[in-house]
Parts: sequence; structure tokens; C-alpha cells
Amino acid sequence: AQSVTQLGSHVSVSEGALVLLRCNYSSSVPPYLFWYVQYPNQGLQLLLKYTTGATLVKGINGFEAEFKKSETSFHLTKPSAHMSDAAEYFCAVHNAGNMLTFGGGTRLMVKP
Amino acid sequence: EAQVTQNPRYLITVTGKKLTVTCSQNMNHEYMSWYRQDPGLGLRQIYYSMNVEVTDKGDVPEGYKVSRKEKRNFPLILESPSPNQTSLYFCASKGSTSYNSPLHFGNGTRLTVT
Repeated sequence: AQSVTQLGSHVSVSEGALVLLRCNYSSSVPPYLFWYVQYPNQGLQLLLKYTTGATLVKGINGFEAEFKKSETSFHLTKPSAHMSDAAEYFCAVHNAGNMLTFGGGTRLMVKP
Repeated sequence: EAQVTQNPRYLITVTGKKLTVTCSQNMNHEYMSWYRQDPGLGLRQIYYSMNVEVTDKGDVPEGYKVSRKEKRNFPLILESPSPNQTSLYFCASKGSTSYNSPLHFGNGTRLTVT
């Protein structure tokens, strides 16, 4: 069965610093990979997705992620953190049966 | 405005008292799903529906029921709630059953069972 591991349940960065949120997955078939963001008291919103083609995927709000098959990773990055980026981030992999498997989430805190 | 609407946002109930959480989407989406979110566990799928009258179990279906009589509505039913069903619940939908179609989420229902 597919699974998703997000390293670090909490990540703290200073405003303007690089954001790196880690995601590793296991999948027996070529995966479809997603990053979602959850702001306080809201549902999840799609940040970006990888299906096929280019391995570097750009999303909204300046985020991007790179699919690395050899490392089974799909880490999320942003060159310069903004206060408004403070939220919880979820990596997810689409598996068989039209089900999406989520990682445990990483809460990003941005310090002024 | 395109949206997924869940009600209620907050619900406190007692063990064994049947409850229903409603979910409605106005985007004519075929696919709808229910998730529960627990700290450190991310979101886990309870049930999903590919179309009207078609429902399937997700990862954690025990203790829950769903129905899909109309395309826009997908209620979640807890016949006999227990404290371990205290959680944050999300309904989601997407316009296509294809794997690369993203989900649209409601704002969540926080359920407490005492």
C-alpha cells in the first residue's frame, strides 16, 4: 500500500529564509503527488501537483516541488518565507481505488 | 461562488446519539469524499463516492455510513458515536474521477463525542 512520510511535524523559519518541507512516499506504481495547504479554521487548498512530465512543479504563492524518483521524494520549497505562509502543509499520493493518502502534516511557523 | 459546504461547523454530542453531518457542493462534481483529521495522522479517508448511488469504503470506514442519493449531497452518518470518533471532519469533491484532478475541501466540522 502507498504511504507518505513527512519529516518534521513542526518547522520554524525566519521571514525571508528558505522554506523546505520534506515528503517521502512509497508507491508500487508511478505516483501522482500533491501538496495541500491548510490555513487556520479552513479546509485544505491545492498548492501544486505532479502527474507526469517535468519533475519540477511550480505552484501558487511561490512554492515549488521536485519529484525525485530515485529518492522517492517530493520536497516542497520556497526561496523566501513570508508571514502569510504560516500554515499546515500536507503531502499526498494518489493510490489505487481513487484514494488519496496523506502524510501526517507539517506545521510551518514563520518568525518575524 | 464554487464551494463545498459542511454543516454544522462544531458539534458536541454524547455517546450513542445518532448524528448526521451534511455536505453539499455546487460544482456538479461527480466525486465526493469524507476525511477525518487527527493530530500527527494527517487526513484519513472514511468513504468516497464516484457518482450517485455509488459509494466505497476508505481507510477508516468503521462506525460511519454515507449515502449519495443526489449528486450535490453526501451526508456522513454516525449511527452510534463513540469518543474515539472525536475528530475534525472534512468533506471534499472533485470534478473528475481521474487521479490528477485536485480535491476541493469544505471548511470542516469539529466533532466532540463525550
